[in-house]
Amino acid sequence: QSVVTQPPSASGTPGQTVTISCSGSSSNIGINTVGWYQQLPGTAPKLVIHSNRHRPSGVPARFSGSKSGTSASLAISGLQSEDEADYYCAVLDDSLSGLVFGTGTKVTVL
Amino acid sequence: QVQLVESGGGVVQPGRSLRLSCAASGFTFSDYGMHWVRQAPGKGLEWLAVIYDDGRTEHYLGPVKGRFTISRDNSKNTVFLQMNTLRVEDTALYYCARDRAGGSYFDLDYWGQGTLVTVSS
Repeated sequence: QSVVTQPPSASGTPGQTVTISCSGSSSNIGINTVGWYQQLPGTAPKLVIHSNRHRPSGVPARFSGSKSGTSASLAISGLQSEDEADYYCAVLDDSLSGLVFGTGTKVTVL
Repeated sequence: QVQLVESGGGVVQPGRSLRLSCAASGFTFSDYGMHWVRQAPGKGLEWLAVIYDDGRTEHYLGPVKGRFTISRDNSKNTVFLQMNTLRVEDTALYYCARDRAGGSYFDLDYWGQGTLVTVSS
């Protein structure tokens, strides 16, 4: 049972914007930066956002992240079929002294 | 290019031990922290442990602390995960991943393809 929660699913049609939320607490998101990972079916996770809003090299600008208080969000604009995947937020939890992944959100492109 | 290749998985009986390895290439291994993450079948990601670049600092997820030990050999560009007293619930795909920096960023920017561990009698 993760201490960081996400909605189990989200969906949109091609071209739309999908936003995924990540809810934590004062011991994790409230004081540390958030990363986001994309996991395509049958593959290893891939870092798409680090430090709340920074995109690693090669990640399309359609992916953007933000954080406010004890919550964070990942937005995927101009949704494409290849964005269909599971998405996880991750944050260091000072109480647990380790990295905590969110519960994960399955994004479906309708 | 950065490459991480895990090995050592397999089928093991409850209570037994297993040692996973992750061979790294394509970057200066001793400059980066390394993590292990697992994913049970059909479940989410679960972070297990990190070892910093110099090998002196380690952190573990609470439930595996005392049973699992992370280590590294910078001369062989390899990180290990020693897993003792294995339980059925440890069945998962085990990934190694590189930290974006020496270990304290906890952003995992490269991942291996994983090695499957099945704990079953």
